[in-house]
Amino acid sequence: NAGVTQTPKFQVLKTGQSMTLQCAQDMNHNSMYWYRQDPGMGLRLIYYSASEGTTDKGEVPNGYNVSRLNKREFSLRLESAAPSQTSVYFCASSATQTGRRGQPQHFGDGTRLSIL
Amino acid sequence: AQSVAQPEDQVNVAEGNPLTVKCTYSVSGNPYLFWYVQYPNRGLQFLLKYITGDNLVKGSYGFEAEFNKSQTSFHLKKPSALVSDSALYFCAVRGANTDKLIFGTGTRLQVFP
Repeated sequence: NAGVTQTPKFQVLKTGQSMTLQCAQDMNHNSMYWYRQDPGMGLRLIYYSASEGTTDKGEVPNGYNVSRLNKREFSLRLESAAPSQTSVYFCASSATQTGRRGQPQHFGDGTRLSIL
Repeated sequence: AQSVAQPEDQVNVAEGNPLTVKCTYSVSGNPYLFWYVQYPNRGLQFLLKYITGDNLVKGSYGFEAEFNKSQTSFHLKKPSALVSDSALYFCAVRGANTDKLIFGTGTRLQVFP
């Protein structure tokens, strides 16, 4: 059981380059999330998707775009990378349908992104 | 606005001793509270949650947490610490009318042999 799978695991970019972080879950969860983790700041929500075709901004959305391709996949795109976007990015999913509120989020193992 | 505070950046405890990792929260309405653990180079793993009911909830790896509504706290506890418990611990809160979690800044637990 794979759970939440993120690719790539590591990436180094130059300022101004673009890239897409991929995330897929196999738990039939309706909600998916993208977070960034920075030292001393915990996890901060970038974008959120409650269901296929819907997305919503989180706490720190600037400089990012997302796409909920289908129920399984939720990608995060950096259009023009900046050094401030150097971070560890985590994707998560959870079941939030009516009758399943309160279910925990399940996390991938992250993408470590460095922008020079 | 929702918020979570983990007042200690690091907690040090000797193996075999009890441990407590502190968490306080602020949320409108009844809170959904969670604890997660993160090992090096891994994602967050769910430990336990409080939604409603008994104030003492038990979770994975022998951990438990006590919900205290009057003090708006949800401290993580374990009666006897193991060296393998050394990791980064996150408290998170969700309000009743949202699916989004707010995470604390994390507490690093170091258990010494």
